[in-house]
Amino acid sequence: EAGVAQSPRYKIIEKRQSVAFWCNPISGHATLYWYQQILGQGPKLLIQFQNNGVVDDSQLPKDRFSAERLKGVDSTLKIQPAKLEDSAVYLCASSLGGSPSTNEKLFFGSGTQLSVL
Amino acid sequence: AQKVTQAQTEISVVEKEDVTLDCVYETRDTTYYLFWYKQPPSGELVFLIRRNSFDEQNEISGRYSWNFQKSTSSFNFTITASQVVDSAVYFCALSEEDNFNKFYFGSGTKLNVKP
Repeated sequence: EAGVAQSPRYKIIEKRQSVAFWCNPISGHATLYWYQQILGQGPKLLIQFQNNGVVDDSQLPKDRFSAERLKGVDSTLKIQPAKLEDSAVYLCASSLGGSPSTNEKLFFGSGTQLSVL
Repeated sequence: AQKVTQAQTEISVVEKEDVTLDCVYETRDTTYYLFWYKQPPSGELVFLIRRNSFDEQNEISGRYSWNFQKSTSSFNFTITASQVVDSAVYFCALSEEDNFNKFYFGSGTKLNVKP
């Protein structure tokens, strides 16, 4: 079974530039997540999609971050303009998105490591 | 308030030693789910275990074991006879009944196993 695919693996940009990350979840997974992981910290949820609808974007800095999940499959996360504090690993994860009885767990991609200079 | 606390930032052990990683959680829900994930240097978080709040039976899987104590809101993870390949960052996570698809992660414990 193919895992969660993310690209690019690494990205280096200067502050005020824009950047986009792509994620393709596991086939059939209804729920897709974008997490931000700053060095030395645990993943912090940025946005959660259920199919192509947003479930939770309460921690997404909407003045500069945007995300979409067209057709309820793959997703893009964009930062425009980037700030120094956006340097982090951006993790995409997916899950079946069913009920608790479906033994929900997250499957993660390898992440995109962003460095903002 | 932090829902999941992993007080140990980094632990170093010598191969074959046993090591316990601590996790303390906070929730008002009576039904919730606890998880452990492993993040090796490659970066991808890998699922290790999921426990339901109504199942307090401890679990053993090979060299791994988990101790769930509702009375102390803890879900600790023990690796017996540690190996170099166990070196990674380990995260404890919580999801709650009202939004079981939302996961709260601790800050992680970095485990260094030296040969």
